[in-house]
Amino acid sequence: KQEVTQIPAALSVPEGENLVLNCSFTDSAIYNLQWFRQDPGKGLTSLLLIQSSQREQTSGRLNASLDKSSGRSTLYIAASQPGDSATYLCAAPRGSARQLTFGSGTQLTVLP
Amino acid sequence: DTGVSQDPRHKITKRGQNVTFRCDPISEHNRLYWYRQTLGQGPEFLTYFQNEAQLEKSRLLSDRFSAERPKGSFSTLEIQRTEQGDSAMYLCASFGGNSRDTQYFGPGTRLTVL
Repeated sequence: KQEVTQIPAALSVPEGENLVLNCSFTDSAIYNLQWFRQDPGKGLTSLLLIQSSQREQTSGRLNASLDKSSGRSTLYIAASQPGDSATYLCAAPRGSARQLTFGSGTQLTVLP
Repeated sequence: DTGVSQDPRHKITKRGQNVTFRCDPISEHNRLYWYRQTLGQGPEFLTYFQNEAQLEKSRLLSDRFSAERPKGSFSTLEIQRTEQGDSAMYLCASFGGNSRDTQYFGPGTRLTVL
């Protein structure tokens, strides 16, 4: 059974800082790992998906890495902005149905 | 806007009532998922359709829950005899076509059971 853990549960940083969010998973036989953003009371927006054969993916100020052997993924956010404030969730698919197993998320607050 | 829509966005009901939610996935996506999310937690898988066939159900999906996807297009999730513990955000996601393994989520339906 896949278990996904995210640390820290909450993070508050001043605007402009670079930051790293952590995600760990127990079953390294994953197809891919996906990072999502969720604003309060809203659905999930996909940020980055890293295939199992890849080491990292980049989109703008976001960079996600994947280390299957250690069961870890990180999401790096450069030059954080108040608009980055949200909950960030990582998820890994399992089984033939590819249903996602999520971590509990990291609630990020970027202070102006 | 991800292209996945859900209706209603909010539902308040009294304990014991039945409720039904609808999800319209991205049209070319053959896979549709339902998840439930409670406050401070990540979404948890409920059930999954490939086209019109319901292929997997979580143990979270009690007998009071039923889901359908007639004709492999939109899907409905019904909860009978609602309980306060059913209060949560119900999320729908779709996947397939050219989505490159990415699941696209709808805005969710927030259910409050009084």
